[in-house]
Parts: sequence; structure tokens; C-alpha cells
Amino acid sequence: GQNIDQPTEMTATEGAIVQINCTYQTSGFNGLFWYQQHAGEAPTFLSYNVLDGLEEKGRFSSFLSRSKGYSYLLLKELQMKDSASYLCAVLDSNYQLIWGAGTKLIIKP
Amino acid sequence: GAVVSQHPSRVICKSGTSVKIECRSLDFQATTMFWYRQFPKQSLMLMATSNEGSKATYEQGVEKDKFLINHASLTLSTLTVTSAHPEDSSFYICSATMGNTEAFFGQGTRLTVV
Repeated sequence: GQNIDQPTEMTATEGAIVQINCTYQTSGFNGLFWYQQHAGEAPTFLSYNVLDGLEEKGRFSSFLSRSKGYSYLLLKELQMKDSASYLCAVLDSNYQLIWGAGTKLIIKP
Repeated sequence: GAVVSQHPSRVICKSGTSVKIECRSLDFQATTMFWYRQFPKQSLMLMATSNEGSKATYEQGVEKDKFLINHASLTLSTLTVTSAHPEDSSFYICSATMGNTEAFFGQGTRLTVV
């Protein structure tokens, strides 16, 4: 079967750094996405990785290792507005998006 | 990487009206485009696959007459939600591929029907 695993909830302090991990087992791989979703809102696209390595975009970075079936989202200089759910999703060989359950990130002052 | 532009990013419409969402591949020719939707607190689900110049292939349970998909050129696909109702409120996202290659995603459209 296809499976995406990410922690259910994480807590971090304002101004700090947090890393959200995602491991996956899917039938084929055509890329991995990270989305941010605030409660009651549509998800917002953060990053897309299809090749191994680190993609940096401002305060957010995303890393992919295809051989390990592993990705992480790194958030730096955390702000209160970063409190949200972070969703990991993998595009399989049929171009279907397989979603993780999401990681709820709580930022404390 | 290649760029897919989806427009509008947000739209609010009245119940009974139709809404058109555009998906454009800006720097490549997209032979295949995919349309997805996400209901609140649920996963993104594939609605249909469209190949340039041919009719879209809809997933089971998706109403063809309700969600009209047109892929008239290699750079443009449109999704029209006809006679929209509040239950159609959702997040819609398109992706495009140059055949058997990686897919590139649009930024998504949040539709709210009031």
C-alpha cells in the first residue's frame, strides 16, 4: 500500500527553528510537495522537490532523499503566524497526489 | 523549473452561476493536464485528466456536465464549474505535464459559493 508518515503535532518557540519530517512509501515517485494550511483555509503551496537535495525559499527550506523515501521541511526564524498544519504529499506514478495526515505546528511566544 | 499559472487564486460566486478556472503552462507545452479538488479536512482528489485536443477522462463520481474541462491548446486548460452550489466550494488545483515527465502544479483556486 501507499503510505505517508509525518508527526501529528509539534511545538516550537517563536524565533527558533523547527524541522518537520516526512517519510513515504508509494508506487512510483514524481515529486513531493509541502503545503501549509491554516485552520479553515485552503492549503497554500510551499515547495516541490523532485530531485535530491535542499531547496531554499526564504525562511522555508525543503529537503528530499529519494533513496531513503524521506523529506523534511525546515522553518527558520519562526513567527506566530507559522502556527498551522503542514502537509506532505507525494505524486505517485499515476500522477495521483498521496497525502500525509499533516503536522500541526504550535508556536509559543 | 517549469511554471504553471492558475487563475483566479480566489473566487466568490453566487449560487447558480458558473465559474471558469484557467490553467496555463507558461514556458512549456502541456500534453496532459490534471484537475484536482480538495474538500475541507480531506485529501486532494483527482477529478479528471485531459489531453490536448481530446475529451477529458473523468474519475468515477465526478459529474461531466457539472465540471466542464476544455484543453483546447497545449498551454491552456479550463475547468468550468456550472450552476455552482455551496457544496462545490472547495480548493481546485491543476497540474500539467509534457507527457511522461514530472508534473508542475498551479497555485490552486479557492472557490466559495454563497
